[in-house]
Amino acid sequence: EAQVTQNPRYLITVTGKKLTVTCSQNMNHEYMSWYRQDPGLGLRQIYYSMNVEVTDKGDVPEGYKVSRKEKRNFPLILESPSPNQTSLYFCASRTGAGGELFFGEGSRLTVL
Amino acid sequence: GQQVMQIPQYQHVQEGEDFTTYCNSSTTLSNIQWYKQRPGGHPVFLIQLVKSGEVKKQKRLTFQFGEAKKNSSLHITATQTTDVGTYFCATLIYNQGGKLIFGQGTELSVKP
Repeated sequence: EAQVTQNPRYLITVTGKKLTVTCSQNMNHEYMSWYRQDPGLGLRQIYYSMNVEVTDKGDVPEGYKVSRKEKRNFPLILESPSPNQTSLYFCASRTGAGGELFFGEGSRLTVL
Repeated sequence: GQQVMQIPQYQHVQEGEDFTTYCNSSTTLSNIQWYKQRPGGHPVFLIQLVKSGEVKKQKRLTFQFGEAKKNSSLHITATQTTDVGTYFCATLIYNQGGKLIFGQGTELSVKP
């Protein structure tokens, strides 16, 4: 089954404790992206990757890092999480530069 | 930067009533995509429109792209409880790495 898989789905952590949210897709998509969703703000892009070893900042990259060492994986790293990073995070992928974006099921992160 | 404004933010309807959400931009859009997010779920692609004045239908859903390509609408005829969720419009910015910019979304609730 074609899908984007994120882990963990739910996480409660404390300020400053490094964490990684993994994302993997099995559709051989070149493009991958991370979004955060907050009430009243919709979906905002954090980082994106056009292909392996190519990453770029989205609209809200502060406090986040990503890597794209393999085509299928695009982890989101929070080096020192803060409470304002409490949010619902979505990983997404698609083939090429346009078209349908496939979303993972989301990771709800709470930073205390 | 490019923005898409979506209205209304919330819409409560009685089952069987029609529903419309609007997406507007101050600049010409190259395309518009629509996504649906069920409560507790992830965004799921519905459709993409690219041509001026384009109208597409999916059963009870009608999607329109304005003649000036600055606005779009999603209309649902005779809503059902299965239509509950948040509907997002989004536009693809090709010269910014294929970034997808989302509207704030319209949350639809349907009373049986």
